[in-house]
Amino acid sequence: DVVLTQSPATLSVTPGERISLSCRASESVDTYLHWYQQKPNESPRLLIKYASQSISGIPSRFSGSGSGTDFTLSINGVELEDLSIYYCQQGNSLPYTFGAGTKLELK
Amino acid sequence: EVQLVESGGGLVQPGRSLKLSCAASGFTFSNYYMAWVRQAPKKGLEWVATISTSGSRTYYPDSVKGRFTISRDNAKSSLYLQMNSLKSEDTATYYCARPGGSSLFDYWGQGVMVTVSS
Repeated sequence: DVVLTQSPATLSVTPGERISLSCRASESVDTYLHWYQQKPNESPRLLIKYASQSISGIPSRFSGSGSGTDFTLSINGVELEDLSIYYCQQGNSLPYTFGAGTKLELK
Repeated sequence: EVQLVESGGGLVQPGRSLKLSCAASGFTFSNYYMAWVRQAPKKGLEWVATISTSGSRTYYPDSVKGRFTISRDNAKSSLYLQMNSLKSEDTATYYCARPGGSSLFDYWGQGVMVTVSS
């Protein structure tokens, strides 16, 4: 199974700053890497698909990059509503797997 | 508007069975693969099952293979998850999800809680 390692586990942020979250795969997943946001007591929401493709309705401050084994989710100008847990997920091979998540908290 | 509404959760004893349902609306259900994803309390996400448009192909991780069965009724726009031989580690919120491509989940239900405990 492909193991996805997300770092850091927790990130303390200040509104307005630019941040980057990392997702590293144990083997190449090409660009079949997707990012989700989960706010407390809500269902996950798709943020970025295929490593870097934007999703309709998602603010433009969210962007993704990477291919193969190393991926990054960036937020350009964090807002308070972005305080959530972010998960990466690979869809290159079965079983589909998720990372353990990165929690954004207020500094 | 795409809507996925799960039902059927609850408290069940270890070794017993439970069947979850998901009612879909707002899209042509028969044109999409469908899936279940779960989340144990305070834990991350785990893919549980995927079913093809006709229901002829199903996919599971080893953790549930042989115990869980995903099925669908396209005439009713409904998805199901039959869970047998339940274990305490199956305790989780179960989400019905629509795969928007070959490998991602673009719509999620609100989730239904399953607690396996004596």
